[in-house]
Amino acid sequence: GAGVSQSPSNKVTEKGKDVELRCDPISGHTALYWYRQSLGQGLEFLIYFQGNSAPDKSGLPSDRFSAERTGGSVSTLTIQRTQQEDSAVYLCASSLLGQMNTEAFFGQGTRLTVV
Amino acid sequence: KNQVEQSPQSLIILEGKNCTLQCNYTVSPFSNLRWYKQDTGRGPVSLTIMTFSENTKSNGRYTATLDADTKQSSLHITASQLSDSASYICVVTPNRDDKIIFGKGTRLHILP
Repeated sequence: GAGVSQSPSNKVTEKGKDVELRCDPISGHTALYWYRQSLGQGLEFLIYFQGNSAPDKSGLPSDRFSAERTGGSVSTLTIQRTQQEDSAVYLCASSLLGQMNTEAFFGQGTRLTVV
Repeated sequence: KNQVEQSPQSLIILEGKNCTLQCNYTVSPFSNLRWYKQDTGRGPVSLTIMTFSENTKSNGRYTATLDADTKQSSLHITASQLSDSASYICVVTPNRDDKIIFGKGTRLHILP
């Protein structure tokens, strides 16, 4: 596609339920990032996929959070047993590695509300 | 540890005034630095990019500066407009194959 696509754009879920958020990066982009942004706050790094290397999971806040990237393209972020503090906008970005002027392109985000 | 720190955390100015946002980084090695603008409800979008050999870059009313010796960058906005209300995020790339490091951003509010 022309840009990074995320789905759903909005998700309301009950506390304790599991949710899956999807990210379709720009075709050919080898790097993919997940960030979380709470209301009025800055970007919080969650996880980074770099090509075929092991992902950098250092930003995942708890073991309820996991992510995978299948075939080096689409990525899903899974939150198990959601809590109210998980409510935030989840942003995905992709970039092309090996470039001098690397730019990360963001999707529009998924707004997650846990009630 | 690679870090990007931005100040102030938030800023309120009147329409038509100028302002300057600051970014300090400890990222090494260093490939490039970008400033992103994030409008409310949208994903961040790149405004400017500077490599280590550049010390200034302009994009309309936005001018970014870079001092690679002190590892500081600033974003100057001239004659602010209501549409400048947004978060401005400083982003540093260590080298072409490394994870990009994002600052927390500065939230700018322009009042009429």
